[in-house]
Amino acid sequence: GQNIDQPTEMTATEGAIVQINCTYQTSGFNGLFWYQQHAGEAPTFLSYNVLDGLEEKGRFSSFLSRSKGYSYLLLKELQMKDSASYLCAVMDSNYQLIWGAGTKLIIKP
Amino acid sequence: GAVVSQHPSWVICKSGTSVKIECRSLDFQATTMFWYRQFPKQSLMLMATSNEGSKATYEQGVEKDKFLINHASLTLSTLTVTSAHPEDSSFYICSARDGGRDTEAFFGQGTRLTVV
Repeated sequence: GQNIDQPTEMTATEGAIVQINCTYQTSGFNGLFWYQQHAGEAPTFLSYNVLDGLEEKGRFSSFLSRSKGYSYLLLKELQMKDSASYLCAVMDSNYQLIWGAGTKLIIKP
Repeated sequence: GAVVSQHPSWVICKSGTSVKIECRSLDFQATTMFWYRQFPKQSLMLMATSNEGSKATYEQGVEKDKFLINHASLTLSTLTVTSAHPEDSSFYICSARDGGRDTEAFFGQGTRLTVV
């Protein structure tokens, strides 16, 4: 079967750095997406990785290792507004998105 | 980025009635649209995939006669929840892709449906 694993909840301090991990087992791979979702709102796109390595975009970076079936989202200089759920999603061989359950990130002052 | 507009943002309806949710791509042609349902503290669950001009493909366990999907144009898809029941109360989200299968999917704002 297809499976996306990510931690259920994480807590971090304002101004710090946090890394949210995602491991996956899917039938085929056509890219991995990270989305941010605030409570009661639709997800918003953060990043897309299809090749191994690190993609940096401002305070957010995303890393992919296809051989390990592993990705992480790195958030630097955390702000209170970063409190949200972070969803990892993999596009499989049929170009369908397989979603993780999301990681709820709690930022404390 | 591209904009997907979903309407209404929230709706309350009586049990047994039908509710229509619209999803529009405002500045691109959405050849494929996806409808998701998300219960509290749970992951997005794909309900169906619709391609313009053809019948929607429903995921296993989703009743196609209850959740009617129409994708009549490249910019509009609708989801109609027929004979709604309280257990249909959920957050419904559409997303759209502009053709390239490995491109980002843009999400609508979501619709909070409460059936009383």
